[in-house]
Amino acid sequence: GAVVSQHPSWVICKSGTSVKIECRSLDFQATTMFWYRQFPKQSLMLMATSNEGSKATYEQGVEKDKFLINHASLTLSTLTVTSAHPEDSSFYICSAHAGTSGQTYNEQFFGPGTRLTVL
Amino acid sequence: KQEVTQIPAALSVPEGENLVLNCSFTDSAIYNLQWFRQDPGKGLTSLLLIQSSQREQTSGRLNASLDKSSGRSTLYIAASQPGDSATYLCAVGDDKIIFGKGTRLHILP
Repeated sequence: GAVVSQHPSWVICKSGTSVKIECRSLDFQATTMFWYRQFPKQSLMLMATSNEGSKATYEQGVEKDKFLINHASLTLSTLTVTSAHPEDSSFYICSAHAGTSGQTYNEQFFGPGTRLTVL
Repeated sequence: KQEVTQIPAALSVPEGENLVLNCSFTDSAIYNLQWFRQDPGKGLTSLLLIQSSQREQTSGRLNASLDKSSGRSTLYIAASQPGDSATYLCAVGDDKIIFGKGTRLHILP
């Protein structure tokens, strides 16, 4: 199956700093990537949809100025948590569509996740 | 608004037993339903994907069924093993995937 990688796998930072997380589709091109967040013992919640070459679409309640998303190429999307605070500590997971528009379904492939801890 | 519910939230069974995990969703106009496995602190492992036109999928000891009309899916695990211990997530959707909160499964040796 298609492979999606994330880097870093974990990061610890001080409050107030910015952290960038990369999501790459390794063996396919992904016009659309998705960013999810998972708090302890909670399910994954979609944060935003990232389309190559255009602005991301954020879900209700997600601050676009705090969570900057850049989808600069068909294989790379980045999520930057700006001025991170302890409440931003979470598990961030990306996914990517391997399908193309017009297909009957588009399976998403998930990255391994990035654990962010803000001190 | 699509909501996905998984019951039970946690389950402990002795090794070797067959078990069923349940998932229900409120909007039957779905494209896909997918079952994932998540180990503690880890990412997602896709187990089975059922397209909206399908009724079930099988992989090894796993069988997932889909009944769109009733808004339900079940994941059947046969001959459970300690290595099956994990959280199992049900997810519905195509572009925008809605996840359930999961069932934490513990297989007792």
